[in-house]
Amino acid sequence: DGGITQSPKYLFRKEGQNVTLSCEQNLNHDAMYWYRQDPGQGLRLIYYSQIVNDFQKGDIAEGYSVSREKKESFPLTVTSAQKNPTAFYLCASSPGDFGYTFGSGTRLTVV
Amino acid sequence: AQSVSQHNHHVILSEAASLELGCNYSYGGTVNLFWYVQYPGQHLQLLLKYFSGDPLVKGIKGFEAEFIKSKFSFNLRKPSVQWSDTAEYFCAVNARYGGSQGNLIFGKGTKLSVKP
Repeated sequence: DGGITQSPKYLFRKEGQNVTLSCEQNLNHDAMYWYRQDPGQGLRLIYYSQIVNDFQKGDIAEGYSVSREKKESFPLTVTSAQKNPTAFYLCASSPGDFGYTFGSGTRLTVV
Repeated sequence: AQSVSQHNHHVILSEAASLELGCNYSYGGTVNLFWYVQYPGQHLQLLLKYFSGDPLVKGIKGFEAEFIKSKFSFNLRKPSVQWSDTAEYFCAVNARYGGSQGNLIFGKGTKLSVKP
């Protein structure tokens, strides 16, 4: 079954810690994306990558970092510089022409 | 910059009522248009999409949407809602540049509550 796997489903972080959210796809898609979802805000783009070893900032990249060393993987690190990290994070991929496939998300809570 | 506006933050309907959720976008070029749904506790699912052709698009679960280019709109409709349609609905748009696409931009979402 092709799809996107995000892990973990729930993540708790202490203030001041960095955490990394995993996103893996077996769809052979070139492009991958990270979105953040907050109540009443919709989904906002954090980072995206159109090709391996390249990525671009989205609308709200401050306090986040990514890497794209493999086509299948696009991990997101939420750093201690992110002032309000509690949110629902969604990863997506696209073949680059039409349509996105979304993962099931990771809910991050700062404790 | 592109943007997407969803007019209603929260819509409350009784079962069997008709539904129309508004969506407008700002971009003068060619676009792909999407409606996604997120049921309580579940992940985002694609309801329907428009790339080209017939501007009236039919999706899953009896939903449809009409692309009106002159109004930059892509409103979602359903003739008769059910309690199980209670969810949050997101309109999304990306620009098309030849054979490739821009990033997907989302509206802020509309919560639909259907009373049994």
